Parts: sequence; C-alpha cells; structure tokens
Amino acid sequence: DIQMTQSPSSLSASVGDRVTITCRASQSINNYLNWYQQTPGKAPKLLVYAASSLQSGVPSRFSGSGSGTDFTLTISSLQPEDFATYYCQQSYSIPYTFGQGTKLEI
Amino acid sequence: QVQLVESGGGEVQPGRSLRLSCAASGFIFSSYAMHWVRQAPGKGLEWVAVISYDGSNKYYADSVKGRFTISRDNSKNTLYLQMNSLRTEDTAVYYCARDRRAVASGAFDIWGQGTMVTVSS
Repeated sequence: DIQMTQSPSSLSASVGDRVTITCRASQSINNYLNWYQQTPGKAPKLLVYAASSLQSGVPSRFSGSGSGTDFTLTISSLQPEDFATYYCQQSYSIPYTFGQGTKLEI
Repeated sequence: QVQLVESGGGEVQPGRSLRLSCAASGFIFSSYAMHWVRQAPGKGLEWVAVISYDGSNKYYADSVKGRFTISRDNSKNTLYLQMNSLRTEDTAVYYCARDRRAVASGAFDIWGQGTMVTVSS
C-alpha cells in the first residue's frame, strides 16, 4: 500500500496568513493526489484533484502543486471558514490511502 | 440538488451483520463509480470499497475484504454496503462518496452526511 505522510500534523495561523501543508507519498504517484477539507461533524469536501486542479466552487485562494512524491496545498489568505482539518489522498492505486490529516487552528 | 443520504447505521454486537444504504439524487447515478469511506471516532479517513458505474468491478480494502460487500441498484439510485462478521474496529462513521468518473478515478467529489456504526458487546 502507498503511505501518505502529511506535515505538519497541526498548525496555528491567523486570518489573512498564507499557509502551506505538505504531503509526501511513499512512492511516486505522478499527479494522482487529491486534497480534502473537513470541519467538525461534517463530511469531507474535495478541494483539489489531480494535484493542482481546483474543484468547481472552491475559492481561488486554495491551490495545489507537486508531482511524483511531494505535494503541497496552499491557502493564500486564510479566512475564518478555512479553520479545519485537511487530508491528502492518493488515487494512483487501490487501496486509496489518506494522509493522517493536518489540523489548522487559530 | 446533488445529494447522497446514508442510512442503516446503528449499534450491533461483534460477529453480527448490518447493511448500509446510500440514496442518491440530483444526478445520473448510473454514470458514476461510488465508494464507501469510513472514519473511526477521532481518527482519519479510511477508504473501504469502490464499485464501478455498472457494478461490474468492485475493490476492497484488505481490512474488510471477505467480510463486506459493496453493491448498487441503478434502478433505485441506491448504493449498499453489506457488512458481515463485524468487529469492534469497524466502529466508525461510514460515508458514501461519488467518484468524479464512471470508472473509478479515486477522487470523491460528493459525500453523504455519514451514518454511525458502533460495534460493541
């Protein structure tokens, strides 16, 4: 199975900050990398697919980059509604696997 | 609007069975692969199973292989997860999720609200 490792596990930031979350795969996954946002008690929401494609309806302050084994999710200017947990997920091979999550806190 | 609604969760003893359902609306259900993803209390996300748009292909996580069965009824716009020989470690919120494509791409663009399954004696 492909292991996904996110860093940091938690992050404190303020409204307006620029934030970057990193995800590393245990082997090359080309660009088969997706990012999700989850707020407490809610289902995850797809933000970015194929490493850098923004899902419809997602604000442009979110962006993804990377290929191979190293990927990043960047939020250019944090908004109050962005404080949540973020997960990366590889879709290169089954079983699809997620990172452990990054909790973004105020 | 596009919606997935899970049902069928509850509390069950180890070794027993449970069947989850996921009712889809607002889109052409038969055009998309579908997944089950679970989340144990306070933990991260774990992919469980996928079924192709026509039900011809199914794949499972090793942790549930041989115990869980994913199926779909396109005439009823409904996805199912039959869970047998349940274990305490199966306790989780179970989400159904739509794949972005008919044949699984592995990106989940629509999620249900989840249904809680508790396995306890």
